[in-house]
Amino acid sequence: GAVVSQHPSWVICKSGTSVKIECRSLDFQATTMFWYRQFPKQSLMLMATSNEGSKATYEQGVEKDKFLINHASLTLSTLTVTSAHPEDSSFYICSARRPEAGGHEQYFGPGTRLTVT
Amino acid sequence: GQNIDQPTEMTATEGAIVQINCTYQTSGFNGLFWYQQHAGEAPTFLSYNVLDGLEEKGRFSSFLSRSKGYSYLLLKELQMKDSASYLCAAMDSNYQLIWGAGTKLIIKP
Repeated sequence: GAVVSQHPSWVICKSGTSVKIECRSLDFQATTMFWYRQFPKQSLMLMATSNEGSKATYEQGVEKDKFLINHASLTLSTLTVTSAHPEDSSFYICSARRPEAGGHEQYFGPGTRLTVT
Repeated sequence: GQNIDQPTEMTATEGAIVQINCTYQTSGFNGLFWYQQHAGEAPTFLSYNVLDGLEEKGRFSSFLSRSKGYSYLLLKELQMKDSASYLCAAMDSNYQLIWGAGTKLIIKP
């Protein structure tokens, strides 16, 4: 299989604090990982594409200084929401592409529900 | 621009068949994906089509027409657990997924 894990699965934090979310590919190496955000009853919104060993590519409108992405190894990418505010409350989902499988399917982590109070 | 269109919501009866349509416009094309997403959970992969035609996988089938920019997901012998959102996503020339807003499928007994 191709398993992607995320930690934590849910987190509540106070406004102004920072939260780190980890995304791991458990049984394959992921040169590319993706970070999505999903608000209730809306579709996935791509925030950034994370490539191992290089800077992330952010989508238009996503503040790179607020959403820090680090892809330090082939199995781990992290998203840090800095100075979180209530409007950052959302469902954050990562996915990873498994290039050696020859396809372009993205395998999703279980998601992290962030609530900022 | 790039765009994916799919119905917002559909209702079907348990045991019946339902077809969820998706039309797409992308800069280049490298395939069409369907994902299932239950409320509060992450999407799970259902199918991938890059060539024209029908791909069957158990109760689920997916169809693609590249010339028409059109795909559909066909669900047979509907079960209550099939109640979920179904996301259509097209991959563009940069291998980036362009996501539809999802179709919420409601199954009634």
